[in-house]
Amino acid sequence: AQSVTQPDIHITVSEGASLELRCNYSYGATPYLFWYVQSPGQGLQLLLKYFSGDTLVQGIKGFEAEFKRSQSSFNLRKPSVHWSDAAEYFCAVGPPRGSTLGRLYFGRGTQLTVWP
Amino acid sequence: DAGVTQSPTHLIKTRGQQVTLRCSPKSGHDTVSWYQQALGQGPQFIFQYYEEEERQRGNFPDRFSGHQFPNYSSELNVNALLLGDSALYLCASSPDTGGYTFGSGTRLTVV
Repeated sequence: AQSVTQPDIHITVSEGASLELRCNYSYGATPYLFWYVQSPGQGLQLLLKYFSGDTLVQGIKGFEAEFKRSQSSFNLRKPSVHWSDAAEYFCAVGPPRGSTLGRLYFGRGTQLTVWP
Repeated sequence: DAGVTQSPTHLIKTRGQQVTLRCSPKSGHDTVSWYQQALGQGPQFIFQYYEEEERQRGNFPDRFSGHQFPNYSSELNVNALLLGDSALYLCASSPDTGGYTFGSGTRLTVV
């Protein structure tokens, strides 16, 4: 069965510190992998995505993620967090590119708090 | 270029009523999916429409129904509203080759 696990419900970091948000997935084939960010009361903004190629993916706002097939993981990282990064982060998996059945499976999210 | 547009942004309904939410997809996108996001949870897939037909459905009761129009816009209808239907409803559009763009959502409160 397809599923996404984000083991950390809430993470608190100081501004300027590094960040890593964990994501593990279960999927039958190599899926499309995504990280989204959501500010309170808002929709989802795509940070980055991975399907194939270089396993280190660069996204917007200075975020990057690394795909590790052997660990079924797609962890999100940022070298230096800014106060504006405080938000909820969702990892999601979807079918391989070209599949006609395009639903996404989301994790329950990680709430990031940034201390000044 | 307008992204995904959803309306209304907020609404309040009474238990037992019916509600219709609307979504206009991003230009060039022909597939529309709907998700329900309860407070403190990740989005849950409701269904997906392509070529005016429901192509895939998540684990939601028949009270949830939808429609896609020839211009690719879509509606989500929920009948006999329950308190537990209170959530943020997100619409996502995509071209058939994949990739997803989300709207800002409709916040539904059932009282």
